[in-house]
Amino acid sequence: DTGVSQDPRHKITKRGQNVTFRCDPISEHNRLYWYRQTLGQGPEFLTYFQNEAQLEKSRLLSDRFSAERPKGSFSTLEIQRTEQGDSAMYLCASSPWTGLGNEQFFGPGTRLTVL
Amino acid sequence: SQKIEQNSEALNIQEGKTATLTCNYTNYSPAYLQWYRQDPGRGPVFLLLIRENEKEKRKERLKVTFDTTLKQSLFHITASQPADSATYLCALVRGSGGGADGLTFGKGTHLIIQP
Repeated sequence: DTGVSQDPRHKITKRGQNVTFRCDPISEHNRLYWYRQTLGQGPEFLTYFQNEAQLEKSRLLSDRFSAERPKGSFSTLEIQRTEQGDSAMYLCASSPWTGLGNEQFFGPGTRLTVL
Repeated sequence: SQKIEQNSEALNIQEGKTATLTCNYTNYSPAYLQWYRQDPGRGPVFLLLIRENEKEKRKERLKVTFDTTLKQSLFHITASQPADSATYLCALVRGSGGGADGLTFGKGTHLIIQP
């Protein structure tokens, strides 16, 4: 399967714990995006990378959220000191850089539940 | 503030009929508009992209229109089938940043095709 993969698919944690999610994009895609989706809402953009450079991070929800893409391949999203309001589906997407308005290929998401 | 509105209630259509979904936006000047399909528990899947200088785009049974004067896009599924039942998301790409600042999604419309 050469699609976008995310790990884990589900994560249950206690409030105050740190969690880290991984995203493996389609191999030839140099752009990688993170979104958050809550029930009944569309995905909400968080941040994106072009290769290893994080070009937009002002939309990260708070300073508890951080993302990395150290070698321009896979990416991680970390949430520190989780809160119940962080419970959501975290989606990763990738796209090739071929100009404007590229379609994005989404992974299956990581569902986070904070108790 | 920028806003995207989609029919928030479920849309019930009889099999074989044409389903029409609406996406309205305010305070945007999008360069592109995209439509995605999302099934429960899965990531969105890209369907169609339409540029601001295009009025209509077709792909098999799908048709999208884009009216930048009305600030509206319509998404049509002709000869609808129960397998078309899903949530359909409208997403905008802003004119600046080349789409690299991430997609802005509407809440989605839940479409149900009844046999």
